[in-house]
Amino acid sequence: SQKIEQNSEALNIQEGKTATLTCNYTNYSPAYLQWYRQDPGRGPVFLLLIRENEKEKRKERLKVTFDTTLKQSLFHITASQPADSATYLCALEDGTASKLTFGTGTRLQVTL
Amino acid sequence: GAGVSQSPSNKVTEKGKDVELRCDPISGHTALYWYRQSLGQGLEFLIYFQGNSAPDKSGLPSDRFSAERTGGSVSTLTIQRTQQEDSAVYLCASSLPVYNEQFFGPGTRLTVL
Repeated sequence: SQKIEQNSEALNIQEGKTATLTCNYTNYSPAYLQWYRQDPGRGPVFLLLIRENEKEKRKERLKVTFDTTLKQSLFHITASQPADSATYLCALEDGTASKLTFGTGTRLQVTL
Repeated sequence: GAGVSQSPSNKVTEKGKDVELRCDPISGHTALYWYRQSLGQGLEFLIYFQGNSAPDKSGLPSDRFSAERTGGSVSTLTIQRTQQEDSAVYLCASSLPVYNEQFFGPGTRLTVL
C-alpha cells in the first residue's frame, strides 16, 4: 500500500515569507495528487489538484509541484498571512482512480 | 448550493451501545466516502460508495462497523457495541466520479465513555 510522509508535524514561519510543505510517497506514482486545508473542528477543504503529467499548478498565492521521479510534491504559499494558519493535507489517488489516501498533515503557523 | 451535511454534530454514548451517524451528500454526487480522524491524526479511510456499484469496505476496522447508502444519496454509518477506541471524528465526503475532488462535511464527534 502507499505510504505518505508529510515533512513535519508543524511549521512556523513569519508573515510575508513563503511556506513550503513537502509530501513524499513510496511505491507507485499516483495519477493525480491533491492538497487540502483543514481548520480545527472542520472538515478538509480542497485546494488544488495536480496530475502526473503536470509539473506545476498555481492558484493565487498557492503553487504545487509534482515530481514523479523524486516521488514528491511541494506545496508553496507565497506572501503568507496569519489566516493561512491551518493543517495542510496531501492526498494521493490510490491506484484505482476512485479513492484517495491522505497524509497525516502539516500544521502551519504563520506569525506576525 | 448546500454542502455535505452530517448529523449529529456530537454524540456521546456508553460503551457497548450502538450508534448511527448520518451523511447527506451534495446532490448529484455519485461518490460518497466515510473517514475517521482521531485526535491529531490523519484521515483513515473507512468505506466508499460509487453509484450502484458494490461498496469498497476495505477500510472498515471490524465487523462492528457497517454502512448503507440508500437511493444513491443519504448514507448511514453504524457502529455496533461501541468501544472507547471508536472515539474519533467521523467525516463524510462526496464527489463527482472524475478527478475526485472531495467535499467534506463538518464531521460527527463521537465520544464513547
